[in-house]
Amino acid sequence: DVKVTQSSRYLVKRTGEKVFLECVQDMDHENMFWYRQDPGLGLRLIYFSYDVKMKEKGDIPEGYSVSREKKERFSLILESASTNQTSMYLCASSGPGQGTGELFFGEGSRLTVL
Amino acid sequence: GESVGLHLPTLSVQEGDNSIINCAYSNSASDYFIWYKQESGKGPQFIIDIRSNMDKRQGQRVTVLLNKTVKHLSLQIAATQPGDSAVYFCAENMNNNAGNMLTFGGGTRLMVKP
Repeated sequence: DVKVTQSSRYLVKRTGEKVFLECVQDMDHENMFWYRQDPGLGLRLIYFSYDVKMKEKGDIPEGYSVSREKKERFSLILESASTNQTSMYLCASSGPGQGTGELFFGEGSRLTVL
Repeated sequence: GESVGLHLPTLSVQEGDNSIINCAYSNSASDYFIWYKQESGKGPQFIIDIRSNMDKRQGQRVTVLLNKTVKHLSLQIAATQPGDSAVYFCAENMNNNAGNMLTFGGGTRLMVKP
């Protein structure tokens, strides 16, 4: 059974703290993505990576960075958390040339910044 | 349908009835579309997809219709069951970008009344 695992389901952090959200996939997928999900706004792409050590900005990269040191792991970093980054964060992966755009999602990490 | 701001459109149906969830997509160059289902506390899961060279595709109890003229996509669920209660997202993809990058709609909440 394919799996995308996000390390933390719930986090509470204070403004200014550095936050790491970890994501691991076991499908040997080349592509990995970080989205944030807010009510009524759907899923908005923060960053994606199509190979180890490669990263591309999505639609809302400001305030975030990412790291892809290994193929199976894609980390989202908030250098200095702010209250407007309170959200649900979803990691996803996909393989190349599948003929589909199917993304496999993790269960999400709900971050609250106080 | 698509939502604006923080309000998530809700569709309420009686168990056993058919459900139709609508989505207006934005890019006439998009050539691939997916519907995802997100249950409470879980990540989105793939339901069905369709390419732009088709106008209808059927799965088990679900049908996706694509009208490229008006850039409209719909998901029909036959004989809706309580387990269908979830938020449904449409997503579009242009074939010319790397990593199967999808753009998601705001989502529609389906509530099934017993």
